[in-house]
Amino acid sequence: GAGVSQSPSNKVTEKGKDVELRCDPISGHTALYWYRQSLGQGLEFLIYFQGNSAPDKSGLPSDRFSAERTGGSVSTLTIQRTQQEDSAVYLCASSLAVSRNTEAFFGQGTRLTVV
Amino acid sequence: DAKTTQPNSMESNEEEPVHLPCNHSTISGTDYIHWYRQLPSQGPEYVIHGLTSNVNNRMASLAIAEDRKSSTLILHRATLRDAAVYYCILRDVDAGGTSYGKLTFGQGTILTVHP
Repeated sequence: GAGVSQSPSNKVTEKGKDVELRCDPISGHTALYWYRQSLGQGLEFLIYFQGNSAPDKSGLPSDRFSAERTGGSVSTLTIQRTQQEDSAVYLCASSLAVSRNTEAFFGQGTRLTVV
Repeated sequence: DAKTTQPNSMESNEEEPVHLPCNHSTISGTDYIHWYRQLPSQGPEYVIHGLTSNVNNRMASLAIAEDRKSSTLILHRATLRDAAVYYCILRDVDAGGTSYGKLTFGQGTILTVHP
């Protein structure tokens, strides 16, 4: 596709269940970022990938959160034993390179609701 | 992390120019200044970025102060579609001095455009 694609667009899950959020970056983009945005709040950095490696996981809120990227393309963010405070919009972005001189392209996000 | 300061909100009338200011007094010599905007219920959208010289593209212009401690995003003729949260961002480097271009979002400026 032409842009960053995220699926599902909406996810409602019960507290305690595991969820997987998927991000398809723009083809050829080596950098991939995950953010989350709680209702009415700013964007919170979670993790970034350069290729399949994740040099910076500093933003992951707890060990219930993990992410992987395979083939330098698709990335999956997994949240185990979801809690109500995990409810947010999870946004993925990709860049052509890991550089300060390139723009990032964001997907439309996955809205996660934990009930 | 280099920080930016923006007004919480600004208002404009349709078809008038808008000047959105950003202060970044602790900017380093190699930080690029990026602007993104987020329309309601959408992921952030790249607007423009620059290092030292003023920049123009089809969406906006970026005016960078000579000392680089401030910048201004200029929308030449505001439309209703320009109503969004505008983020001024300095792309970060990690502790080892390697650029990975993390985008750290602040609270941004809420731009309201009146018909």
